[in-house]
Amino acid sequence: DIVMTQSPSSLAVSAGETVTINCKSSQSLFGSVRQKNYLAWYQQKPGQSPKLLIYLASTRESGVPDRFIGSGSGTDFTLTISSVQAEDLANYYCQQYYDTPWTFGGGTKLELK
Amino acid sequence: EVKLQQSGDELVRPGASVKMSCKASGYTFTDYAMHWVKQSPGQGLEWIGTIIPLIDTTSYNQKFKGKATLTADKSSNTAYMELSRLTSEDSAVYYCARDHRGLAFDYWGQGVMVTVSS
Repeated sequence: DIVMTQSPSSLAVSAGETVTINCKSSQSLFGSVRQKNYLAWYQQKPGQSPKLLIYLASTRESGVPDRFIGSGSGTDFTLTISSVQAEDLANYYCQQYYDTPWTFGGGTKLELK
Repeated sequence: EVKLQQSGDELVRPGASVKMSCKASGYTFTDYAMHWVKQSPGQGLEWIGTIIPLIDTTSYNQKFKGKATLTADKSSNTAYMELSRLTSEDSAVYYCARDHRGLAFDYWGQGVMVTVSS
């Protein structure tokens, strides 16, 4: 199974700051056919279901604010949230979609400082 | 509007089975695969399996083979998951989630909390 490791596990921020969440996979997620990385990011607020933010490592899902930026390739990926807003306080998960079983990172909890 | 409406929370006895549903609306049910995901405090998010309603084909995470059974009813646009021989390790929230063109899970149900207790 592909192991997804996120860091940090929690992060305390102030509104307006830029934050970076890291995700590392145990093997490359780069698909040679599509020449894309099969990595997605989700946001989960307390008491809610996960919400898709980004897929193919850097493609924002429709309706997702452009302050959410996904980057990276191969085994190292990053979710950057610029100018964090109070509504962004949530848990964030990465997921690989390269090979079954699809696996998720352990999550990063974004809290208010 | 795409919506996945899951059935209600369940309290079940150890050793029993539970079957939950996920009713899809707002899109053509047979055009998309449906995934099931387990979320427990100790294990985070785990993919259980996937069903392709059009051809009734399933694939499972090896960890959940024998534990979960996925089915779908095309006439009612509903996906089902049955969990058998329940133990305390099965206490968790279970989600259905639609496949996003083989690239991610784009819409999620509200989740079913299963509590296994005597």
